[in-house]
Amino acid sequence: GNSVTQMEGPVTLSEEAFLTINCTYTATGYPSLFWYVQYPGEGLQLLLKATKADDKGSNKGFEATYRKETTSFHLEKGSVQVSDSAVYFCALRLTGGGNKLTFGTGTQLKVEL
Amino acid sequence: DAGITQSPRYKITETGRQVTLMCHQTWSHSYMFWYRQDLGHGLRLIYYSAAADITDKGEVPDGYVVSRSKTENFPLTLESATRSQTSVYFCASSESGPSSAWEQYFGPGTRLTVT
Repeated sequence: GNSVTQMEGPVTLSEEAFLTINCTYTATGYPSLFWYVQYPGEGLQLLLKATKADDKGSNKGFEATYRKETTSFHLEKGSVQVSDSAVYFCALRLTGGGNKLTFGTGTQLKVEL
Repeated sequence: DAGITQSPRYKITETGRQVTLMCHQTWSHSYMFWYRQDLGHGLRLIYYSAAADITDKGEVPDGYVVSRSKTENFPLTLESATRSQTSVYFCASSESGPSSAWEQYFGPGTRLTVT
């Protein structure tokens, strides 16, 4: 079946450090890939997305590239801030899959001064 | 208010009681979804709806009932609550069509505790 695997958290970084959160997927077709972010006490909101191989999604300094050969969509940011502390979810949607998303388990990021 | 809202935001109920969680969206989105969020599981889809009067099961539908008589509302009912249904529940909505990447917009969540 379809699944998304994320690195275990929490990830704790100092402000201005480089961030990578790994995400790999298993899918029967050609999915669209998403990163959602959940700030404390809130619902999820879309951070970035990529709909085909080699696409790069970017937003708020975060980037992720859709790598079909490695079935990966790793999230990166060059310099994190305290305000980036949140839980990050990788997700996939299959074409023709009724708009359903399959989520990873989430990775908590804590950024300290 | 524009957007997607959920009520109540917090609910404590007893085992065996029926409880309904409400979800309302103002965008006239075709799709609506219910997820539960549990530590170690991420978000799991309970039910979804492609349009009014069209609903379908997700990954974990047992013990839940949904209806969608109007496009903007998608209530989730726990017919006889169990402790295993203690969770945070999120409603989401989405447009449909080939031009969008079908972003899902999430409500703020309902934290349900079953005692």
